[in-house]
Amino acid sequence: NAGVMQNPRHLVRRRGQEARLRCSPMKGHSHVYWYRQLPEEGLKFMVYLQKENIIDESGMPKERFSAEFPKEGPSILRIQQVVRGDSAAYFCASSTAGTGGNTIYFGEGSWLTVV
Amino acid sequence: QQQVKQSPQSLIVQKGGISIINCAYENTAFDYFPWYQQFPGKGPALLIAIRPDVSEKKEGRFTISFNKSAKQFSLHIMDSQPGDSATYFCAALRYNFNKFYFGSGTKLNVKP
Repeated sequence: NAGVMQNPRHLVRRRGQEARLRCSPMKGHSHVYWYRQLPEEGLKFMVYLQKENIIDESGMPKERFSAEFPKEGPSILRIQQVVRGDSAAYFCASSTAGTGGNTIYFGEGSWLTVV
Repeated sequence: QQQVKQSPQSLIVQKGGISIINCAYENTAFDYFPWYQQFPGKGPALLIAIRPDVSEKKEGRFTISFNKSAKQFSLHIMDSQPGDSATYFCAALRYNFNKFYFGSGTKLNVKP
């Protein structure tokens, strides 16, 4: 999973600020997924993107959260006006194609702390 | 509704023992079942995976047992080592859908 690069690894934001998390998929991967992990909990799906397209955002909160995967550059998960409940680890994963028979590989995560 | 239920929440095993983690799923359309291993401060890493057309898959000390009729699958870690101490997640996927459904995780502690 070392191939999926996430930054920053750790981010501290005050309530009301914006958090931007970046993810560069493994080489050759064009599909990106974002998952959220609350302390001592499992992984919750947030969004699935291909280049320039959001394919499935059924796990994204309706407000304040957005994601993109532009033609050039990393995928971005953006959280506006952060609240304490947004404190979590955010994991990006990538795959070569859609998950039909393909597994996903995770990055090391971005740990967001809202103070 | 939780699609994949995992147990136990935590597990303590002596070095050399067998660690067993169980998962049950609801959706019979799931057709890919991976297990991920996560160390503190790290991302989950794929450990082993199985498809429902086989009942068992073994890779080294790790074995997945799959019971399609019971909609259950389990991870067995033989000769458990302290280095296996980590959190283990089972997951399930439906072909051509894009969401992996993860279990809630099992924190394994292997005592030396």
